[in-house]
Amino acid sequence: SQQGEEDPQALSIQEGENATMNCSYKTSIDNLQWYRQNSGRGLVHLILIRSNEREKHSGRLRVTLDTSKKSSSLLITASRAADTASYFCATGDMEYGNKLVFGAGTILRVKS
Amino acid sequence: AAGVIQSPRHLIKEKRETATLKCYPIPRHDTVYWYQQGPGQDPQFLISFYEKMQSDKGSIPDRFSAQQFSDYHSELNMSSLELGDSALYFCASSLGPPGNTEAFFGQGTRLTVV
Repeated sequence: SQQGEEDPQALSIQEGENATMNCSYKTSIDNLQWYRQNSGRGLVHLILIRSNEREKHSGRLRVTLDTSKKSSSLLITASRAADTASYFCATGDMEYGNKLVFGAGTILRVKS
Repeated sequence: AAGVIQSPRHLIKEKRETATLKCYPIPRHDTVYWYQQGPGQDPQFLISFYEKMQSDKGSIPDRFSAQQFSDYHSELNMSSLELGDSALYFCASSLGPPGNTEAFFGQGTRLTVV
């Protein structure tokens, strides 16, 4: 990965359960973003959190950011089968130039 | 609403051939990114443009080049193709400087080199 690791690499849960995915990064950042990707499709932006924010909500999504630990978590509550996808974090990279750098991704499978 | 348009969606080329991928960003978006994604891999940053100028380069081979035109569309040119170039190539666009705001991705071009 160009940026960091996601944890876990794969997650399998039952519909209705919560799913938590973690992301670590290496550099100083302006913001951290979460994306979702269905197999072989384009990435879809979920949520962006700035470096001066600690928590953000959007519908069933809750994102936290800890810049001292260089980590973020994405919580999906009351998961649905349609949430099955790969989830990536990406950082707006300040240290190494102007780009959006992706982490390794978590494969989430929600069983109905 | 208009999205990022990539063409072609699928491309099959032979080794040592050349390929050109096109990207049409969302209107008024001034940043374009290119990413390469191999099977089961995370998207690898190739190159970005902001206001029609190259902004940053990532792990882009010297055989690849890209540019952004006056109408903000971008093209990724790939020469001397190798089997290892087979991948999904995504273009994304955003409003404002690269990395600063959410990026909108196209559906990708699946390149197969045989």
